[in-house]
Amino acid sequence: DTAVSQTPKYLVTQMGNDKSIKCEQNLGHDTMYWYKQDSKKFLKIMFSYNNKELIINETVPNRFSPKSPDKAHLNLHINSLELGDSAVYFCASSQDSGTGELFFGEGSRLTVL
Amino acid sequence: EDQVTQSPEALRLQEGESSSLNCSYTVSGLRGLFWYRQDPGKGPEFLFTLYSAGEEKEKERLKATLTKKESFLHITAPKPEDSATYLCAVQRGDSWGKFQFGAGTQVVVTP
Repeated sequence: DTAVSQTPKYLVTQMGNDKSIKCEQNLGHDTMYWYKQDSKKFLKIMFSYNNKELIINETVPNRFSPKSPDKAHLNLHINSLELGDSAVYFCASSQDSGTGELFFGEGSRLTVL
Repeated sequence: EDQVTQSPEALRLQEGESSSLNCSYTVSGLRGLFWYRQDPGKGPEFLFTLYSAGEEKEKERLKATLTKKESFLHITAPKPEDSATYLCAVQRGDSWGKFQFGAGTQVVVTP
């Protein structure tokens, strides 16, 4: 049983489109995250939710909107996609925000043409 | 601003050839330093947490150490299955849930 699962794994779309990535964790964790990994492999935090409450909102264009319907799910919706949005997006979860033991999903590779 | 710098960027080792990876950090009030392993096409997998200078953690052929300015990940007698990208991350004491990652060191171990 996959601990942190995200869908889709691959996403190819045109500039200007809107797309969503979904994430679910079955670990019973309270905190979930979205990270972006660019072509240089840097992982940068975008958002974090604790028990459905937004606790981290980094400097991310407001075209990116996270939604957490419950503490086991965190989705990412992206409006008006741009070429620079191409990256791998990772969902992660942790027991609480204080520990660094993050459990990552396998990533969603977004390619914007 | 917090900084995490990993070196070298890439490392090619023969099986059994021990080596060390470096993670230098500049952070105000370190809460913890973390090591992850990332295989191609996969998400990072947690390895270790270090909280204070002098602390060491071991797991199989991997040993992580921490000083006030850097951390080392020692790989002893590596095997091909140790090939991966190793990522270092730090968390500030006042930064709840925010982890700053380095760019990683890509390790290739050849038989």
